[in-house]
Amino acid sequence: AQKVTQAQTEISVVEKEDVTLDCVYETRDTTYYLFWYKQPPSGELVFLIRRNSFDEQNEISGRYSWNFQKSTSSFNFTITASQVVDSAVYFCALSEETSGSRLTFGEGTQLTVNP
Amino acid sequence: DGGITQSPKYLFRKEGQNVTLSCEQNLNHDAMYWYRQDPGQGLRLIYYSQIVNDFQKGDIAEGYSVSREKKESFPLTVTSAQKNPTAFYLCASSIQPTPGPYNEQFFGPGTRLTVL
Repeated sequence: AQKVTQAQTEISVVEKEDVTLDCVYETRDTTYYLFWYKQPPSGELVFLIRRNSFDEQNEISGRYSWNFQKSTSSFNFTITASQVVDSAVYFCALSEETSGSRLTFGEGTQLTVNP
Repeated sequence: DGGITQSPKYLFRKEGQNVTLSCEQNLNHDAMYWYRQDPGQGLRLIYYSQIVNDFQKGDIAEGYSVSREKKESFPLTVTSAQKNPTAFYLCASSIQPTPGPYNEQFFGPGTRLTVL
């Protein structure tokens, strides 16, 4: 069965610090997709990134970067030079090829960036 | 603008009443989903629909019902059988019903349901 674990329930940093959010997943499928979403206080989830199981290249988008390592079943998310606007709950999610389009979410990490 | 609309944002109901939450999308997406989020927890899938006139139960379907008569609409009814209905409900859609290169889900703003 698929499972996503975000062990960090809450993280608090000071503005301009770098912060890494951990995500560990479990799946028996060889084809799967991993996602990160951001949920600001308004509640709507915002899509950040999608990665398929055959693409282990790390990705950088501005201050955001993602490290996908199949050997450790991890898909970690780093925010460089954090800002107050980064404060939100961040969710990691997994979609397996055999489960159709269903997403399994982790329990989320509440990130608070203090000025 | 294309997007997903959920209304109302806040909804109050008395215990024992059925209530229907609306979800409309104009993205021309095939698949639609309903999730429930409780405080401090992740999202749990209630129902999903990959095509019009078809839907499947998710992980916590008991006490809920849905319909998919039109591609753009996927209303969720919270029935009196749902033992603890107070929660934040999120609707989502994706361009295709199966995993693929563009299968990320896009979310609506959510409806916060409080049962008194």
